[in-house]
Amino acid sequence: KQEVTQIPAALSVPEGENLVLNCSFTDSAIYNLQWFRQDPGKGLTSLLLIQSSQREQTSGRLNASLDKSSGRSTLYIAASQPGDSATYLCAVGAQKLVFGQGTRLTINP
Amino acid sequence: GAVVSQHPSWVICKSGTSVKIECRSLDFQATTMFWYRQFPKQSLMLMATSNEGSKATYEQGVEKDKFLINHASLTLSTLTVTSAHPEDSSFYICSAKREAYGEQYFGPGTRLTVT
Repeated sequence: KQEVTQIPAALSVPEGENLVLNCSFTDSAIYNLQWFRQDPGKGLTSLLLIQSSQREQTSGRLNASLDKSSGRSTLYIAASQPGDSATYLCAVGAQKLVFGQGTRLTINP
Repeated sequence: GAVVSQHPSWVICKSGTSVKIECRSLDFQATTMFWYRQFPKQSLMLMATSNEGSKATYEQGVEKDKFLINHASLTLSTLTVTSAHPEDSSFYICSAKREAYGEQYFGPGTRLTVT
């Protein structure tokens, strides 16, 4: 059974810093890995999708990497801004997504 | 970009009544949609997979007679919570899979409160 873990559960950093969020999964036979953002009381916004054959994806200030052999993915956020404050979720799977518990990120002005 | 809508965004109902939640893919067709529920400060839990033109597939522990799912068209899936009880109060989120891309797009969620 696939299990997804995100560390840390919460992170608070000053504006402008670069930061890394971590996601680990137990079964390396994944299809896709997807990073999402969730604002309080809202749905999920897809940030990046990494297919099984890929190693990383980039979008603006975001870069996500995937290392299937070690069962890890990282989400790198460059030059953080207060608007980046949200909960970040990673999920793995093809049809059925298995989610981590999320990292609650706070960027302090 | 791909947009998924949900209606209503929030609903309050009395115990024993039924509530229907709609999930629509606005600018793409989705043969597969998914329904999740999320408790406060917890992650998403998959409830069921909704397949257009066929019966939904429910996850273990989810009562199919209580959570009725209908996927009548390529852009619409509905979740009906029957005989709702206070413990059904939760945030329900749907997603739609954009087949050619493999990516799932999520709706904004529906907050259900059963009094």
